[in-house]
Amino acid sequence: SQQGEEDPQALSIQEGENATMNCSYKTSINNLQWYRQNSGRGLVHLILIRSNEREKHSGRLRVTLDTSKKSSSLLITASRAADTASYFCATDATPGTYKYIFGTGTRLKVLA
Amino acid sequence: SAVISQKPSRDICQRGTSLTIQCQVDSQVTMMFWYRQQPGQSLTLIATANQGSEATYESGFVIDKFPISRPNLTFSTLTVSNMSPEDSSIYLCSVERQLGTGELFFGEGSRLTVL
Repeated sequence: SQQGEEDPQALSIQEGENATMNCSYKTSINNLQWYRQNSGRGLVHLILIRSNEREKHSGRLRVTLDTSKKSSSLLITASRAADTASYFCATDATPGTYKYIFGTGTRLKVLA
Repeated sequence: SAVISQKPSRDICQRGTSLTIQCQVDSQVTMMFWYRQQPGQSLTLIATANQGSEATYESGFVIDKFPISRPNLTFSTLTVSNMSPEDSSIYLCSVERQLGTGELFFGEGSRLTVL
């Protein structure tokens, strides 16, 4: 079963705008990660946030984590056409097992 | 970052046949993970493969349908047996490059179409 539910399912924005994607999960976690997938290819790891962290930045990416609400958000600032991809959150389904469960994904389209 | 090579990158298969997907990693890793991504869907973990032991399968996946080999610390294969059109998916190999980091590296995937 899916651990993470993401919204929106699809998002279309203009280049230069910010894109925000949300992920909700069901059980306790050690960490939450975000991945990008271009056109059905392999996934690329973007950022990992641990359960004791509330916010993390990496370049134009900003991730927040609210463990009380079991939710996370990924913000991409100043989006570019190259950011067009599907974005997935992933959580360690059973902490300590190194197995990760992926969310439903958000398909982002950035229009030039 | 890890370099993971998967073969084949894509294939078109006939119903009832089997196909083996290979995954080669450029360094030794303890665990390798096989995921399936059905069209337009998210990733679903099929199994975890450790070297020297049988793979651990997730609910809904069985060894007879998805036999896995892990002969050494850099290589694994996943076979999709007796394929049907419902097996048309992208199959992805993944590793946790450094144990405990949680960061997964993925191969480019093998896109199978079953006719």
